[in-house]
Amino acid sequence: GENVEQHPSTLSVQEGDSAVIKCTYSDSASNYFPWYKQELGKRPQLIIDIRSNVGEKKDQRIAVTLNKTAKHFSLHITETQPEDSAVYFCAASRGGYALNFGKGTSLLVTP
Amino acid sequence: EAQVTQNPRYLITVTGKKLTVTCSQNMNHEYMSWYRQDPGLGLRQIYYSMNVEVTDKGDVPEGYKVSRKEKRNFPLILESPSPNQTSLYFCASSSQVTDTQYFGPGTRLTVL
Repeated sequence: GENVEQHPSTLSVQEGDSAVIKCTYSDSASNYFPWYKQELGKRPQLIIDIRSNVGEKKDQRIAVTLNKTAKHFSLHITETQPEDSAVYFCAASRGGYALNFGKGTSLLVTP
Repeated sequence: EAQVTQNPRYLITVTGKKLTVTCSQNMNHEYMSWYRQDPGLGLRQIYYSMNVEVTDKGDVPEGYKVSRKEKRNFPLILESPSPNQTSLYFCASSSQVTDTQYFGPGTRLTVL
C-alpha cells in the first residue's frame, strides 16, 4: 500500500519567515495530494490540495509543489503568522476515498 | 449548514462492552471513512465506504466493524473494545467529484 513520509516532525520559525514541509510517497498511481491543518483540539481542515496533472498551486501565502518523477510534494507557507501554528498533515491517494497521511509536522511560529 | 457530525464526542467505557460511534453527513457525499489518530502516528484509516453497501478495509481494521445502509450514515462498531483502541476517532466524507474530505469533530474514546 501507499507509504507517506513527512519531514520535519517539528518546525519552529520566526514570524514573517517562510516554512517548508516535505512529503514523499511510494505509490506512483497516487494522483491526489491534500494538505490539512489541525489546530489543538480541532478537526483536520483542508488548506490546499494538488492533483498529479499540476506541478504547483498557490493560494495567497500557501503554495504546494509536486514532483511526480521524484514522488515528493511540499507545502510552502510564506510570511508566517502566529495563527499558522498548528500540526500540518500531508496525504496521498488514488482518489478522495482513502487518504494515506504522513505523521504530521508541528509548526510553531514565534512572534 | 454542510457538515459531518459524530456522536458521542467523548466516551469512556470498559473492556468488552460493545459500542457504536455514529457518523452522519448532509452533503450527499458518496465516500465516507473512519480514521483513528494517535500521538506520533498521524491519522490512520480504519474503514472506508465508496457508496451504500460498499465498504472496504483501511490500514488498521482489526477490532472494528462498519456498515453503510444509508448514504448519509456510516457508524463505527467496536464489538469488544480493548484498551489499545483508546484513541481519537474521526469520520470523514467526500464527493467523488472533488475528492475533498471533510472531517467530523472527532470522538475521544477511552477504553479502561
